[in-house]
Amino acid sequence: EVQLVESGGGLVKPGGSLRLSCAASGFTFSSYSMNWVRQAPGKGLEWVSSISSSSSYIYYADSVKGRFTISRDNAKNSLYLQMNSLRAEDTAVYYCAKACSGPTCYLLGWFDPWGQGTLVTVSS
Amino acid sequence: EVVLTQSPGTLSLSPGERATLSCRASQSVSSSYLAWYQQKPGQAPRLLIYGASSRATGIPDRFSGSGSGTDFTLTISRLEPEDFAVYFCQQYGSSPRTFGQGTKVEIK
Repeated sequence: EVQLVESGGGLVKPGGSLRLSCAASGFTFSSYSMNWVRQAPGKGLEWVSSISSSSSYIYYADSVKGRFTISRDNAKNSLYLQMNSLRAEDTAVYYCAKACSGPTCYLLGWFDPWGQGTLVTVSS
Repeated sequence: EVVLTQSPGTLSLSPGERATLSCRASQSVSSSYLAWYQQKPGQAPRLLIYGASSRATGIPDRFSGSGSGTDFTLTISRLEPEDFAVYFCQQYGSSPRTFGQGTKVEIK
């Protein structure tokens, strides 16, 4: 069974930093692109960032470009999101999501499955 | 970017009734690259449909998707108690991938 478990969320002040982690199991992690998707409280879903299986291709939403960094460690079956210069509008549940299998899934494709999410609150 | 508009915002129905949810795109979605997700309170979204009409693994056949171009529909043929939730559409035909704002299916 595919499992994705996020951690690292919490309360941080504006301008602060946080590093999220996602531990993957139940599939060959190194063969799949991975994603971060967020959901502000009571709001819709927003794709944040994607990374290809070998980290060759990395993409960010304009809203986080230059502040967030996605990375992965295939030896540890783990995905990360380093978040710097955090703003109030970054407050959200952050989900780690596995990409579909296919040559363009690092950029396009659906998300399946998703982890349970970790809450990031940016507030003074 | 492609803007997805879902309607209605809320659908009030009784168990056993048919639910029809709409997702309209601001521009044509390439190759019907559209997915639907179900989200229950406090849970992560779950993939229901991809490619506009293909059911994901383990999804009951009361869920069906249709449409192409800019107009897509998710139909739940007979609502079960566990189907009351929020449903999101998502396009993956162009970058960035975008989601609709969601339709809540609530018990009438």
